[in-house]
Amino acid sequence: EAQVTQNPRYLITVTGKKLTVTCSQNMNHEYMSWYRQDPGLGLRQIYYSMNVEVTDKGDVPEGYKVSRKEKRNFPLILESPSPNQTSLYFCASSFGSGGFPDTQYFGPGTRLTVL
Amino acid sequence: AQSVTQLGSHVSVSEGALVLLRCNYSSSVPPYLFWYVQYPNQGLQLLLKYTTGATLVKGINGFEAEFKKSETSFHLTKPSAHMSDAAEYFCAVSGNNNDMRFGAGTRLTVKP
Repeated sequence: EAQVTQNPRYLITVTGKKLTVTCSQNMNHEYMSWYRQDPGLGLRQIYYSMNVEVTDKGDVPEGYKVSRKEKRNFPLILESPSPNQTSLYFCASSFGSGGFPDTQYFGPGTRLTVL
Repeated sequence: AQSVTQLGSHVSVSEGALVLLRCNYSSSVPPYLFWYVQYPNQGLQLLLKYTTGATLVKGINGFEAEFKKSETSFHLTKPSAHMSDAAEYFCAVSGNNNDMRFGAGTRLTVKP
């Protein structure tokens, strides 16, 4: 089954404790992206990757890191989480159509609470 | 860079009534445009998209949208609302700088 998986689905942590949210896709998509969803703000792109070893900042990259060492995986790293990073996080993947990200396939989401 | 504005954070319609959700975009190049739907406690799924060609795009569940370049709009419509259409809807745009921009979302309520 074609899918994007994220782990964990729920996470409660404390300020400053490093964490990683994993994302994996099995559709051979070039493009992968992380978004955060906050009430009234919609989805905001954190980082995206056009292919292996190619990443770039989205609208809200501060406090986050990513890496793309393999095509299927795109982990999101919070080196020192703060309460303002409490949010619902989505990973997504797509083909890149002539340089344009195409239909995004979303994972189920990770609800993160930072105390 | 491109951007998206969704007019109306909440829209309420009666069952059987027309659904109209508004989306305006800005982009320096011909964009790709998308509508996604999010049901409670789920991820987003594609309703429809415009890339090139025919400006009236039909999607799943009876939804359609029309790309109007002169108005920079991509409004979503459905002739007759069903209770199962209650959800949050997001308009999105992508351009040749590789990023994706989403609107703030419109929550659709359907009254019996």
